[in-house]
Amino acid sequence: AQKITQTQPGMFVQEKEAVTLDCTYDTSDQSYGLFWYKQPSSGEMIFLIYQGSYDEQNATEGRYSLNFQKARKSANLVISASQLGDSAMYFCAMREGSSGQLTFGSGTQLTVLP
Amino acid sequence: EAQVTQNPRYLITVTGKKLTVTCSQNMNHEYMSWYRQDPGLGLRQIYYSMNVEVTDKGDVPEGYKVSRKEKRNFPLILESPSPNQTSLYFCASRPLAGGLDYNEQFFGPGTRLTVL
Repeated sequence: AQKITQTQPGMFVQEKEAVTLDCTYDTSDQSYGLFWYKQPSSGEMIFLIYQGSYDEQNATEGRYSLNFQKARKSANLVISASQLGDSAMYFCAMREGSSGQLTFGSGTQLTVLP
Repeated sequence: EAQVTQNPRYLITVTGKKLTVTCSQNMNHEYMSWYRQDPGLGLRQIYYSMNVEVTDKGDVPEGYKVSRKEKRNFPLILESPSPNQTSLYFCASRPLAGGLDYNEQFFGPGTRLTVL
C-alpha cells in the first residue's frame, strides 16, 4: 500500500487565488512528521512546511498552511494568493520510525495562470 | 553558507563504467541519505547513514553502494551502471537531534545521470 498518496497529478489555479493540494498518508506509528517540498523547474528541493503528529495547531509558513486532519490521515497544503512563481512540482512526504526515512508521494504539478 | 553539495551535477556515461557521485555537507549533520527521483514515482530512498561508518539500505538499494568514512561526505557509487539507473539523484542531510525532532531535511542541488 502507498504510504503517501497525492491524487492530483496536475492542478491549475488562477493567479491570486488560493489552491489546495491533497495528501493522504498511511502509518501505524503514533509519532511521525509530515512535510511539503516544492520543486521548481530548476530541480532543487525547497522545504516549505512541517507538521508533527502531536502538533495540535495546523502549521503555517507565510502563504503556506498545512490542513492537518489526523483522523482522516490527510495533510493538505493550502497556498493562499497564488503567484506565478508558485508554478512547480509539489511533494508531500512523511517521516516515521527510528530511521527517520522520508517517504515521498508522487507529486502534484501546479501551474499558476496569469 | 550552510549547504549540501553534489558533484557532478550532470553526467552521461555508458553501461558498466563505474562512477561515483560525491555529496558533502558543511552543517555537521549526523544523518545523510541518497534519493533517486523518477517521473510519477516521487523520490525514493536508496541508502542512508546515521553517522560515520553506519549505513543502511533504503527502499531501492540494488545496484548502489555508499560509504561514510567522514561525517561530512557520503558518496554514492555505481559499480556497474545500467540504463535503468538513469535518474535524478539527490543527497540530503539533517541533524539527528534526539530522533524525530528535527523538522527539515537539507537537499543538495541534484545530479542528473544518464546511462547509455
